[in-house]
Amino acid sequence: GAVVSQHPSRVICKSGTSVKIECRSLDFQATTMFWYRQFPKQSLMLMATSNEGSKATYEQGVEKDKFLINHASLTLSTLTVTSAHPEDSSFYICSASLALGYNEQFFGPGTRLTVL
Amino acid sequence: AQKITQTQPGMFVQEKEAVTLDCTYDTSDQSYGLFWYKQPSSGEMIFLIYQGSYDEQNATEGRYSLNFQKARKSANLVISASQLGDSAMYFCAMRDPTGNQFYFGTGTSLTVIP
Repeated sequence: GAVVSQHPSRVICKSGTSVKIECRSLDFQATTMFWYRQFPKQSLMLMATSNEGSKATYEQGVEKDKFLINHASLTLSTLTVTSAHPEDSSFYICSASLALGYNEQFFGPGTRLTVL
Repeated sequence: AQKITQTQPGMFVQEKEAVTLDCTYDTSDQSYGLFWYKQPSSGEMIFLIYQGSYDEQNATEGRYSLNFQKARKSANLVISASQLGDSAMYFCAMRDPTGNQFYFGTGTSLTVIP
């Protein structure tokens, strides 16, 4: 199957700083990537859909100014958590599809963010 | 609105036995896709099996099979011959017709007992 990587896998930062998480499709081109957030022992919550070359589509309740998403190329999408606070601590997972409507989404290994 | 329901927060199964994880869904769309993912403690989401809404036969992938009952809107996952490595969280998910969104259930924690 297709491989999606995320970097970093873990990050600890101080409150008020910004953190960038990268999501890369390693062996395929992903027109669309998705960003999810998962709290401990809870389900995945879709945050936004990232489209290459255009603005991301955010889900209701997700602050687009706080969670900046950039999809500059067909293999890279980034999520920047700006002015992070302890309540932003979570597990962030990206996924990518080979094509819109394709059966399968390939998930990255996730990034665990801890804001002190 | 789409909705996925997993009513079993935790399940236990004896090694080598079969186990069924329940999933029901709610949609008014005719075309949709149903998925099961496994999430071990490492956090990675591992694709297990897919069922399209128009597929007449139940999907199977090795020890995994999906019991698809369209009229009941259920898509239960059956794991045969459970192994210790099957202990993980299992999520049922549905893809909408546009392919833009996946909706996940709350998950079932499966523990395989030696």
